[in-house]
Amino acid sequence: DTEVTQTPKHLVMGMTNKKSLKCEQHMGHRAMYWYKQKAKKPPELMFVYSYEKLSINESVPSRFSPECPNSSLLNLHLHALQPEDSALYLCASSQGGAGYHEQYFGPGTRLTVT
Amino acid sequence: RKEVEQDPGPFNVPEGATVAFNCTYSNSASQSFFWYRQDCRKEPKLLMSVYSSGNEDGRFTAQLNRASQYISLLIRDSKLSDSATYLCVVNRDDKIIFGKGTRLHILP
Repeated sequence: DTEVTQTPKHLVMGMTNKKSLKCEQHMGHRAMYWYKQKAKKPPELMFVYSYEKLSINESVPSRFSPECPNSSLLNLHLHALQPEDSALYLCASSQGGAGYHEQYFGPGTRLTVT
Repeated sequence: RKEVEQDPGPFNVPEGATVAFNCTYSNSASQSFFWYRQDCRKEPKLLMSVYSSGNEDGRFTAQLNRASQYISLLIRDSKLSDSATYLCVVNRDDKIIFGKGTRLHILP
């Protein structure tokens, strides 16, 4: 079962709100990723967790805060976002160390910041 | 020069034709290579990993040329359902780099 699930599917939030995006996989993968994708652009890597430790932070603003409670779960906590943060947020997972293996993507959370 | 570059597209191709996508990468230390497809407003889906020996899956063939630093994807006998954006992905150490993607429209 190559499934990565994400909740919620859609999220509208104000600039003062705090919300969280959730991602789950049960494939036994040890690397999990957060990406941001704007329309007609490729996904941009934000964070990578490898064996439950943050291994890559691509200079993402602190209003985005990742958390990996265990090897199956990945959260992205959002606070004081800006309208330009509106995008599709994709979670992915892969076997083993980050970057070497095929990634499987979840369906994404479409975020609108008002 | 961008680290990963793809044909800008879009490609408009009649059904049944053969389509070729190319992707070049600038860093010779790149280690693994993939093709993904992405339908409009959906997530990227893995199409193929790309190996030095080349690999084939039905109508799809992927090749890697390390000397020239490019990867290719060939789609034979294209179907309407092949219409999508095709993304080349190159990994090096912990860096994961997506190409900008090439949009493919298969015309009936």
